Amino acid sequence: QSALTQPPSASGSPGQSVTISCIGTSSDIGDYDYVSWYQQHPGKAPKLLIYDVRERPSGVPDRFSGSKSGNTASLTVSGLQAEDEAEYHCSSYAGNNIRLFGGGTKLTVL
Amino acid sequence: EVQLAESGGGVVRPGGSLRLSCAASGFSFDDYGMSWVRQAPGKGLEWVCGINWSGGITTCADSLKGRFTISRDNAKNSVYLQMNSLRGDDTALYYCVRAAIVGKTFDVWGQGTMVTVSS
Repeated sequence: QSALTQPPSASGSPGQSVTISCIGTSSDIGDYDYVSWYQQHPGKAPKLLIYDVRERPSGVPDRFSGSKSGNTASLTVSGLQAEDEAEYHCSSYAGNNIRLFGGGTKLTVL
Repeated sequence: EVQLAESGGGVVRPGGSLRLSCAASGFSFDDYGMSWVRQAPGKGLEWVCGINWSGGITTCADSLKGRFTISRDNAKNSVYLQMNSLRGDDTALYYCVRAAIVGKTFDVWGQGTMVTVSS
């Protein structure tokens, strides 16, 4: 049960697109289409952004999109806005009711 | 309004025990699985333990080596985390989270309760 691997930081200018990766293994991301992404602003609880690799809960803008290839999942934020500056966490189901998280990526809007 | 409210955090000495509680409201509690997720200061999220809707299936992270136990009382709309043999690296903000009906994800998060393990 190793944590998923995310880059510690990412950045982009307003209006640009940025992609954050989340690397797992064939036992988690590679084996299940149950990848989630959460957004966390400083001092706040995480908020669900994406589930089941690419599904968005009601109310989440379509600027946020998810994808997966092999053992790597990705979150793309298009048309960056100032309020997108936050920490982003990926998560994957790993079988046997176990969940894994990544270390988080701090997104800075320049 | 769907809400999760954690309580029970505090300062505890290494080797001590603590029991966290989470009170749910605004939804049919016994339809949902629940979990605890923690976040050490300045660090990422870590899944701790999960429990199914009835309490009949519980799972915790292997790294905890059996020190933590999750339970629930559907009559009280509450879920609990019993933490024993606490260590310094257990210091974290502990979130109570709801497992979504669709997809293996967490769709509702509480505000967290802080646990500090220190002598």
